[in-house]
Amino acid sequence: GEDVEQSLFLSVREGDSSVINCTYTDSSSTYLYWYKQEPGAGLQLLTYIFSNMDMKQDQRLTVLLNKKDKHLSLRIADTQTGDSAIYFCAETLSGGGADGLTFGKGTHLIIQP
Amino acid sequence: DTEVTQTPKHLVMGMTNKKSLKCEQHMGHRAMYWYKQKAKKPPELMFVYSYEKLSINESVPSRFSPECPNSSLLNLHLHALQPEDSALYLCASSQLITDTQYFGPGTRLTVL
Repeated sequence: GEDVEQSLFLSVREGDSSVINCTYTDSSSTYLYWYKQEPGAGLQLLTYIFSNMDMKQDQRLTVLLNKKDKHLSLRIADTQTGDSAIYFCAETLSGGGADGLTFGKGTHLIIQP
Repeated sequence: DTEVTQTPKHLVMGMTNKKSLKCEQHMGHRAMYWYKQKAKKPPELMFVYSYEKLSINESVPSRFSPECPNSSLLNLHLHALQPEDSALYLCASSQLITDTQYFGPGTRLTVL
């Protein structure tokens, strides 16, 4: 079955890089996503990676995928106070249908001044 | 434009009330989703509509009744809810081919 694991908390100093990790169990996963949720808000899509890629960079965000270890990471460079939020890793199996997302429990990113 | 809108933003209802949540998107997406999110938990899938037809129901109790009147609109009809149904209800939409799901801001539901 599908299972996505994340650590619950990460604390970093403002200006440092944040690295949020995620592991998944289903090797059939086709798409892997990172969403950001601020308090009381919906989910904001940050970035995604297809399973045939191993890296994707988008401004301050870098996603690394290790398919062999089923490990996904999100690096946020130059972390700012506005990055404080819960970050969800999510996967879907679909390559052309419409499936729901399976989410990890979310990592609460705490920024220290 | 990647906007999904949801109304109302907040809803308080009694256990005997009937209410509806609404979701709208104008991105031409043909898949729409309802998720339920309890406090400090990840979202959990409830329903998936594909081309206006219900394709996935994750064993949701019948007191939740989804409806997709057209490709832009998704409703969730609520009847005889329980206090444990209090949660943030999130709507999402996607193009079927890429499946990247875009979420609305959610409706915060409180059942008294």
